[in-house]
Amino acid sequence: EVQLVESGGGIVQPGGSLRLSCAASAFTFSSRWMHWVRQAPGKGLVWVAAIWSDGSNTLYADSVKGRFTISRDNAKNTLYLQMNGLGVEDTAVYYCVRDLTHWGAFDFWGQGTLVTVSS
Amino acid sequence: DIVLTQSPGTLSLSPGDGATLSCRASQSVSSVNLAWYQQKPGQAPRLLIYGSSNRATGIPDRFSGSGSGTDFTLTISRLEPEDFAVYYCQQYGISSYTFGQGTKLEIK
Repeated sequence: EVQLVESGGGIVQPGGSLRLSCAASAFTFSSRWMHWVRQAPGKGLVWVAAIWSDGSNTLYADSVKGRFTISRDNAKNTLYLQMNGLGVEDTAVYYCVRDLTHWGAFDFWGQGTLVTVSS
Repeated sequence: DIVLTQSPGTLSLSPGDGATLSCRASQSVSSVNLAWYQQKPGQAPRLLIYGSSNRATGIPDRFSGSGSGTDFTLTISRLEPEDFAVYYCQQYGISSYTFGQGTKLEIK
């Protein structure tokens, strides 16, 4: 059974940093693009970042460009999101998401990890 | 970025009814890159439809998608109690992904 398990969420002060991890299992992690999608409390879904299967290219939403870095370790089947310069607007559940190859859709989602930015 | 606008914001129906949810794009979207998701409270979203009209694995055939260009539709025939949830459309285009704001399908 495919699993995506996020970790690393928590409470951080404005301006602080946090690193999220996502452990993948039961599929060929190295062959799939991966994404982070977030959802602020009571709000809709917002795509954050994407990374190619070999890690050679990345994409970011304008709202996080220059502050967040997506990366992966295919040997460890793990996806990361380094978040710097956090603001209260970054408070959200962050989902690790698998790309459905060739379709621009997201076919499997982790359960999410909550990031709260507050003083 | 392409903006997706979903309507209605809330849809109140009864089990057994049919539901029609709309997703309108601010500019033309490739049908290949339009998807629909279902999200229940406290759960992660689940892929329902990809490529505008293809059901994802395990999705019942009462869910169907259609549309092209700027107008897309998710249709649910014969609503079951477990279908009451929030539904999002999503598109991929020119190195960016966007979601609609969601339609809440609630029990009347």
